[in-house]
Amino acid sequence: EAGVTQFPSHSVIEKGQTVTLRCDPISGHDNLYWYRRVMGKEIKFLLHFVKESKQDESGMPNNRFLAERTGGTYSTLKVQPAELEDSGVYFCASSQDLENSPLHFGNGTRLTVT
Amino acid sequence: QKEVEQNSGPLSVPEGAIASLNCTYSDRVSQSFFWYRQYSGKSPELIMSIYSNGDKEDGRFTAQLNKASQYVSLLIRDSQPSDSATYLCAASGGYNKLIFGAGTRLAVHP
Repeated sequence: EAGVTQFPSHSVIEKGQTVTLRCDPISGHDNLYWYRRVMGKEIKFLLHFVKESKQDESGMPNNRFLAERTGGTYSTLKVQPAELEDSGVYFCASSQDLENSPLHFGNGTRLTVT
Repeated sequence: QKEVEQNSGPLSVPEGAIASLNCTYSDRVSQSFFWYRQYSGKSPELIMSIYSNGDKEDGRFTAQLNKASQYVSLLIRDSQPSDSATYLCAASGGYNKLIFGAGTRLAVHP
């Protein structure tokens, strides 16, 4: 079984540019999550999809962040325009069920905004 | 007070010793807790979950939950150099929305 895959693994962009991160969850997992870790801080929840619907987007920092999951398969997270404070590691995770189901994480995308 | 707190370490233990990792939590989180291990540059990997008071053992790992003291711990027996990693304590905020601590770096030296 393939795990959660994220692309790219690293991205370096300039302030004001746009970046799109992609996540492919484990096949059959309806639940897809985005998390973020900024330097020196905890991993923090961004949002949760159930299939193609946003279940909870309470962690999204502001409207420069847009997440989509068309067709309920892979997801993208777009940052437009990027700011310096957006630098960090963006993790995607998926699970089969909503509760007490192991959360499988991808290796993350390290985003650096200069 | 943060919702989930951990000492960032590093915690250094000799090979073969017991490593004890601790985590405290606030009233604002639910009562499901998880320990993840993360190697540098890799994904967090779930190693233990615990939902009720007491101890839960899985191989060399034991998770302990004390709800009265709002305290979760992870014991690693017979520590190996391959256990060297960052250990993340997380609480559930519902629907697998996890609230993480900052993580404790463990270094097991031969």
